[in-house]
Amino acid sequence: GESVGLHLPTLSVQEGDNSIINCAYSNSASDYFIWYKQESGKGPQFIIDIRSNMDKRQGQRVTVLLNKTVKHLSLQIAATQPGDSAVYFCAEIRVGGSQGNLIFGKGTKLSVKP
Amino acid sequence: DVKVTQSSRYLVKRTGEKVFLECVQDMDHENMFWYRQDPGLGLRLIYFSYDVKMKEKGDIPEGYSVSREKKERFSLILESASTNQTSMYLCASSPGSRGNYGYTFGSGTRLTVV
Repeated sequence: GESVGLHLPTLSVQEGDNSIINCAYSNSASDYFIWYKQESGKGPQFIIDIRSNMDKRQGQRVTVLLNKTVKHLSLQIAATQPGDSAVYFCAEIRVGGSQGNLIFGKGTKLSVKP
Repeated sequence: DVKVTQSSRYLVKRTGEKVFLECVQDMDHENMFWYRQDPGLGLRLIYFSYDVKMKEKGDIPEGYSVSREKKERFSLILESASTNQTSMYLCASSPGSRGNYGYTFGSGTRLTVV
């Protein structure tokens, strides 16, 4: 999950296994959530988003689950590949009413072992 | 392919120099952002802009200023660079209130102040 410390949480998985990356978001009023992937030396890239009126959303090999009761977001990556090695960030925003900016988590580093 | 372009991937500057980091987006986005990214600290918002000529301080504006004279361009200025400004700088843009709240990031500028 996300961390406020100096060390980035790390998840190490075997190639072909499924990965689950967790995020505890901060604002119960947030109603839109995004997962980003950042490869080494590159900027973050959008992976998938979900609105608060949904519990689950699926993309290609990725699924995002939202549990509003406990303010928890997870990203599931099926059949993890070496190219999935990156830092993954969750982000939240309240889009209804007065819009603020995206709030980013600290990130989780995913390492895929061949 | 839509993109956010940062003018330099790597920069080395001397302490006390005035440094300009340039960012251009070709998506006609209203909002633009400057972040710095340091190990274990995640993305920290420096400044943002919701419109031309408009700027707002983020979480860590000290030692920085910005300029947005045209919609597509958002410049970050380090008035007098210091070694503690050595970091990865990321520019991002978003449409804002058009139903898409995700940010598109540039590839980043890694600045070293010596």
